Amino acid sequence: QVHLVQSGAEVKKPGASVKVSCKASGYTFISYSMHWVRQAPGQRLEWMGWINAVNDNTKYSQKFQDRVSITRDTSATTLYMELSSLTSEDTAVYFCAREGNCTGGSCYPFDYWGQGTLVTVSS
Amino acid sequence: SSELTQTPSVSVSPGQTASITCSGDKLGDKYACWYQQKSGQSPVLVIYQDDKRPSGIPERFSGSNSGNTATLTISGAQAIDEADYYCQAWDTNTAGVVFGGGTKLTVL
Repeated sequence: QVHLVQSGAEVKKPGASVKVSCKASGYTFISYSMHWVRQAPGQRLEWMGWINAVNDNTKYSQKFQDRVSITRDTSATTLYMELSSLTSEDTAVYFCAREGNCTGGSCYPFDYWGQGTLVTVSS
Repeated sequence: SSELTQTPSVSVSPGQTASITCSGDKLGDKYACWYQQKSGQSPVLVIYQDDKRPSGIPERFSGSNSGNTATLTISGAQAIDEADYYCQAWDTNTAGVVFGGGTKLTVL
C-alpha cells in the first residue's frame, strides 16, 4: 500500500529556511508527479508547487516562486520542499501529495497525502 | 488567478442529501476534484475528474460539473461525513492548482 511519511515538526525563526521531507513507499516513485500543499491554521488548502515525474521539471505557485524549491531523490524515494525567508505567515501544516492518474487532460487528483508537517515560525 | 468559491457551511440531518457547491469562471470546462478533511487529519480524495470515485469511497458520494459550478452530493449523509470539503481544479491562467475555500458540513 502507498505510504507518504513526512519529517517531524519544525520551529524556525523569521528569516530562516526549512526543508521538509516526504518518504514514499508502496509504489513506483518515479512514475508519479508530486505536489506540496500547505494549510495555515483555520485556513484553506494552498497549493505550493509540483515536480514532474517524467522530466523532474518543477512548477511553483506565483506566491512562492522566489523562495520555494521542490526536489526529489529517486534512489531514496524521497521528496523535499525547502522554503526560505520564513515569516510568521508561513506557520502552517505542510503536506506532500501524490498526483494520481486520470483519463482526461488537466486532471490533477491528489490521491495520497502525507500526514503533514507543522512548521512554526516564531521569534 | 482564478478563484474557486464555496459556501462556508452546510448543515443537514442524518439521512438527508447534502449538496456542496464550488463556483468558478468556466469551471465546467475544467476537471474538478473534491477532498474530505476531518479535523486534524490529511485530506482524502472523494471525487476526481468531476464525477469519479476513488476505490474505497462510498457510493453515496457523487459529483457533477457544468457551467460555472461543480457540485459534490452526499446522498443519505451520515454523522461520519462531518468534515470540511474542498474543491480543486487546474487554473489555466497561472498554470497551477487552485483550491476552494472549503465548506464545513455538519450532520445533526
